[in-house]
Amino acid sequence: QVQLQESGPGLVKPSETLSLSCTVSGDSNSDYYWSWIRQPPGKGLEWIGNIYHSGSTNYNPSLKSRVTISVDTSKNQFSLKLSSVTAADTAVYYCAREAGYDEYYIQYWGRGTLVTVSS
Amino acid sequence: QSALTQPASVSGSPGQSITISCTGTSSDVGGYDYVSWFQQYPGKAPKLMIYDVTDRPSGVSNRFSGSKSGNTASLTISGLQAEDEADYYCNSYTSSSTWVFGGGTKLTVL
Repeated sequence: QVQLQESGPGLVKPSETLSLSCTVSGDSNSDYYWSWIRQPPGKGLEWIGNIYHSGSTNYNPSLKSRVTISVDTSKNQFSLKLSSVTAADTAVYYCAREAGYDEYYIQYWGRGTLVTVSS
Repeated sequence: QSALTQPASVSGSPGQSITISCTGTSSDVGGYDYVSWFQQYPGKAPKLMIYDVTDRPSGVSNRFSGSKSGNTASLTISGLQAEDEADYYCNSYTSSSTWVFGGGTKLTVL
């Protein structure tokens, strides 16, 4: 069974960079798209972006200027960096795995980690 | 990209059927048969209930079904049960190779 686990600071100061990692276990095959998704408290889901194992990325246009997603297949990890954060970036951040080549759905999710932006 | 449009809330009595709509554009819902539905309980990660408009993952009750007409997708839950009370989100692939979610619908079982 595939498992994903987010890790990183739970508190980030305004204007700084939010950095999270996602460690994947249970499947040695890396031939997938890996996504980051967030959910502000009491609000809906927002897709942030994804990365293929080759390093190819796609980003939400509304966040593109501030987001970088990278992958380290040797460590079974992928990462998110979101720069110049404000209180509006306070959210539960989820990492997720899409279904596979030529399959178009988000299949597995991590448990999520709450990141609060505050001084 | 704009969020897909869902009703904020729906409700139904045990045993009844309810339908949640999800409206997008020809660049997402209407352009691809890649609409998914997720169920989310408070404090928990979303769970995939429907993918590719109509398909159910293994283990998901056949009381859950999906459909699509034009730019609107729908999730129907039949034989409503108390355990179905949760938030539901639709999700679609887009022409920009991105994903977009709906705003979410809170289902209340009366």
